[in-house]
Amino acid sequence: GDSVTQMEGPVTLSEEAFLTINCTYTATGYPSLFWYVQYPGEGLQLLLKATKADDKGSNKGFEATYRKETTSFHLEKGSVQVSDSAVYFCALSNPHSGSARQLTFGSGTQLTVLP
Amino acid sequence: KAGVTQTPRYLIKTRGQQVTLSCSPISGHRSVSWYQQTPGQGLQFLFEYFSETQRNKGNFPGRFSGRQFSNSRSEMNVSTLELGDSALYLCASSRTDGGDGYTFGSGTRLTVV
Repeated sequence: GDSVTQMEGPVTLSEEAFLTINCTYTATGYPSLFWYVQYPGEGLQLLLKATKADDKGSNKGFEATYRKETTSFHLEKGSVQVSDSAVYFCALSNPHSGSARQLTFGSGTQLTVLP
Repeated sequence: KAGVTQTPRYLIKTRGQQVTLSCSPISGHRSVSWYQQTPGQGLQFLFEYFSETQRNKGNFPGRFSGRQFSNSRSEMNVSTLELGDSALYLCASSRTDGGDGYTFGSGTRLTVV
């Protein structure tokens, strides 16, 4: 079945540092890929998405590019802020498999940004 | 516009009891999904409803059930609660099939004692 493998955390960075959180996936066909963020005590917020190969999703300074050849969707931000501290989840939805109309999530990466 | 609303926010139940959680999707969203989040298992898909029909179901025992009403509001029920059912239950809605992403509610924190 489909699966998402995400960089293990926790990740601790200083403010204004560069962020990369790795995400790779296993899926048949062409899934849609997402990054969600979860702040303490809250639900998940969609951060960005990409629905086809070579698409770049971006939002709030975060970016991720759908790489079919490496089955990856790594999250990057050039300069993190303390307010970016949260848990980040990579996820996919695949209309070509049994996991259509559902999200398959990675294990999440806890990011802490220090001032 | 209003987001996805889940009630209640917190619940404490005793082992063996049953519980019903409620979810009101974004207006115009007809697909509602439920997820269980635990520290050990992460985020796991429970089921998805569209136009009052369950279209997809995750790998959970029959104690977990759900339904959707004609106004797209959804409920999930867990019967004969076990300690391991303690989790954050998240509801998510989408217009159709979630290809553009789902909008999540803040969740219901269920504690089974």
